[in-house]
Parts: sequence; structure tokens; C-alpha cells
Amino acid sequence: GAGVSQTPSNKVTEKGKYVELRCDPISGHTALYWYRQSLGRGPEFLIYFQGTGAADDSGLPNDRFFAVRPEGSVSTLKIQRTERGDSAVYLCASSPGSGRGTGELFFGEGSRLTVL
Amino acid sequence: RKEVEQDPGPFNVPEGATVAFNCTYSNSASQSFFWYRQDCRKEPKLLMSVYSSGNEDGRFTAQLNRASQYISLLIRDSKLSDSATYLCVVINTGGFKTIFGAGTRLFVKA
Repeated sequence: GAGVSQTPSNKVTEKGKYVELRCDPISGHTALYWYRQSLGRGPEFLIYFQGTGAADDSGLPNDRFFAVRPEGSVSTLKIQRTERGDSAVYLCASSPGSGRGTGELFFGEGSRLTVL
Repeated sequence: RKEVEQDPGPFNVPEGATVAFNCTYSNSASQSFFWYRQDCRKEPKLLMSVYSSGNEDGRFTAQLNRASQYISLLIRDSKLSDSATYLCVVINTGGFKTIFGAGTRLFVKA
């Protein structure tokens, strides 16, 4: 597709369950970002990929959170043993990558996670 | 201290008003600066980049003061459609780690 695609758009799960959120970036974009946004707050940086490697994962809150991008395109954010505090909108964004483009990030519509 | 700080507002202004938002950043080595706009329950979208010389795009003017580590956005002749959250964004030196402020909410009233 033309834009960043995220699935699922909505996910309701129970405390303690495992969740995967998927992001399909704009074709050709080498940089991919995950953010988390709670109501009334700005997007909180989680992790940034350049190609297949995680260039900066300093925003992951703890070891329950993990993200992969095995082929340098689609990325999956994985959350183990979900907690109610994980409830948020998880935003994925892509950009052309280091040294290219304007630095603009193109966001998907987000995956809204609710942990009961 | 947060890396990017903004006044959360909300700013409530009448149509036609001029409104200014401010933002400060803590990392003096930050290299690139932007304003994004986010509508309710939508994803953020780039509004404009911010250059050291200042830049203007129609009714919107952005300024950067590197010495004070301060960024501003000025909106002239506010429209109802300007109602949104405005996010200050900074990219840090050494990579493309892009940090967002918490956003400033604007409500423009008829």
C-alpha cells in the first residue's frame, strides 16, 4: 500500500497474555520506529530500526517488550505478560532513512491495545 | 528533565486570533527540529520543519533559537480547522532518534 499499515487496529487482551503488533512500512523506507501514546500525552519513543538492526532500543520500558524486523521491512512489536499499564496506542512510523529525505516520519494509524 | 517540553495548554482562541506555542529541548547537540500536528484519534503528521533562519508556510511561522534551545510556532489568522494538538519534535545528533514533546492543544472557536 501507499502508506504505513498497522495491524490489528484494535486489540483487547487480558492481563498476563502475549501480544504481537505488526507494522508494514512504506516500501523502500529503511528506517522504522515504534512509539507508544497514552491519552493526553505525546508519542513516547520505544525503538528505532535502520534496516534489520535495532539502532536504538533505549525507549523499551522493560524486558517484556521486544521488537524485530528480520528482513528490513515488516516489523513486529511483541509484548509478553501484558499489564494494564501497557494499554495505549502503539504507533509505527517509517522514513527514508539516514542521510536521505527530510527527516519526516510517516505514521500508521496505530494499534490500540487495551489490557483488561 | 524531559528531553522536549511544551506547555500542554489548552489554548482557547477565537477565529482570526494569533497564537504562539513554545517548546524547549534539553540536548544541545540536537540537530533537526519539526512541528507535527495531531488531530483527535489520528496519527501525527508533519506540519513543518524548523530552520535556524526561521521559516514561514502561509499562516504558520516557525523559529529556532539554538542558544536558548527553544523552538516556537506562530499561527496567524486562526481557523476552526487549526484545532488540534501541536507536537514539538527533535532529532538528536548521531542518529535518527526522534523525540516528541507532549503536545500543546489548540481549540479555535467561532
